[in-house]
Amino acid sequence: KAGVTQTPRYLIKTRGQQVTLSCSPISGHRSVSWYQQTPGQGLQFLFEYFSETQRNKGNFPGRFSGRQFSNSRSEMNVSTLELGDSALYLCASSRGGADTGELFFGEGSRLTVL
Amino acid sequence: AQTVTQSQPEMSVQEAETVTLSCTYDTSESDYYLFWYKQPPSRQMILVIRQEAYKQQNATENRFSVNFQKAAKSFSLKISDSQLGDAAMYFCAYRSAKWGDSGGSNYKLTFGKGTLLTVNP
Repeated sequence: KAGVTQTPRYLIKTRGQQVTLSCSPISGHRSVSWYQQTPGQGLQFLFEYFSETQRNKGNFPGRFSGRQFSNSRSEMNVSTLELGDSALYLCASSRGGADTGELFFGEGSRLTVL
Repeated sequence: AQTVTQSQPEMSVQEAETVTLSCTYDTSESDYYLFWYKQPPSRQMILVIRQEAYKQQNATENRFSVNFQKAAKSFSLKISDSQLGDAAMYFCAYRSAKWGDSGGSNYKLTFGKGTLLTVNP
């Protein structure tokens, strides 16, 4: 069974540009969550999608957005990049039900903003 | 808002020995879930162990066990018979059991800052 796949794994952008990251969840999983990981702030929740609907959102500016497709694949977009957006972006998938719902994480997309 | 605190940025242990990682949390909720995740260098984060707050019995998974003290809001992880493969960053995480308002979900983990565990041969 394939795990959570994130692409690209590494990317470098400059300030002001935008970036799109992709996440393919485990087959059968309908919930996809995104987290930002930085040395200073640690792991912070961005948002969660289930059946193409955003169900939960963290405290990030509107430059951070996401969406989910009918096949449960998800993308997140960051517009007008700032230096502080440099981070490891982690995607996690889950079945999505109202239970303890183990989250399965991908290896992440490491974004560097110059 | 909930907070999770890991007071030990780094820990080290000798192979085959036992080590305990500390975690405290703050919440006004009575029902929630607690987790320990392991993130090896440049590899994906995996779940080590989970605890439901309504369960008094401490969770155990092979060499990993927790000491859950609900009143003290403490959730420590004990690793017995440490192995070289246990070397990783360990994160304590909190998740509310309350389904969100307005149709939202409770799929939001609040993480501690992590403890880097080194295992010495």
